Amino acid sequence: GDSVTQMEGPVTLSEEAFLTINCTYTATGYPSLFWYVQYPGEGLQLLLKATKADDKGSNKGFEATYRKETTSFHLEKGSVQVSDSAVYFCALSEGILTGGGNKLTFGTGTQLKVEL
Amino acid sequence: NAGVTQTPKFQVLKTGQSMTLQCAQDMNHEYMSWYRQDPGMGLRLIHYSVGAGITDQGEVPNGYNVSRSTTEDFPLRLLSAAPSQTSVYFCASSYGDDTDTQYFGPGTRLTVL
Repeated sequence: GDSVTQMEGPVTLSEEAFLTINCTYTATGYPSLFWYVQYPGEGLQLLLKATKADDKGSNKGFEATYRKETTSFHLEKGSVQVSDSAVYFCALSEGILTGGGNKLTFGTGTQLKVEL
Repeated sequence: NAGVTQTPKFQVLKTGQSMTLQCAQDMNHEYMSWYRQDPGMGLRLIHYSVGAGITDQGEVPNGYNVSRSTTEDFPLRLLSAAPSQTSVYFCASSYGDDTDTQYFGPGTRLTVL
């Protein structure tokens, strides 16, 4: 079946450092790809998404490009802040569930800690 | 809008006890789902619903029941809790034109002793 692999954490960075969190996927079709973020004590929220090859999703200074040739969707940010400390989940949309709707398959999450 | 709400936030059960995790959304979303989050395993889909009166199983449904009598509510029932059900449970909702974008509740942390 479809799957998502992302780098193990935790990732610890100093404020203003460059961030990359790697994500690769396996899928039989052409999924949409997502990054969700989970701040401490909260549920997940959508950070950005891309629906087709070469699309770039961006939000709050974060970016990720859908690379079909390398089956990757790496998350980047040029200058992280302490407030970016959270767990980041890469996910793909597998297609139609019975009765409609899409099923999201999540990676295991990468914890990011940003220090002053 | 309150979005997606879940109660309780924390719960401790003994093996064999039953309980219901509540989930409600006020966005008139057709789709609702339950996930469990375990260390090193990401989120796994337990059950989902595509509308009132319609539910189906996800990838880890055993030990859980759901029902959807209204659009707003989607409770998750544990009939006989087991230690393997210790986890953080998230409810999520989405709507027809953009089912990929799911709105998550704050979660329920369940411990089964």
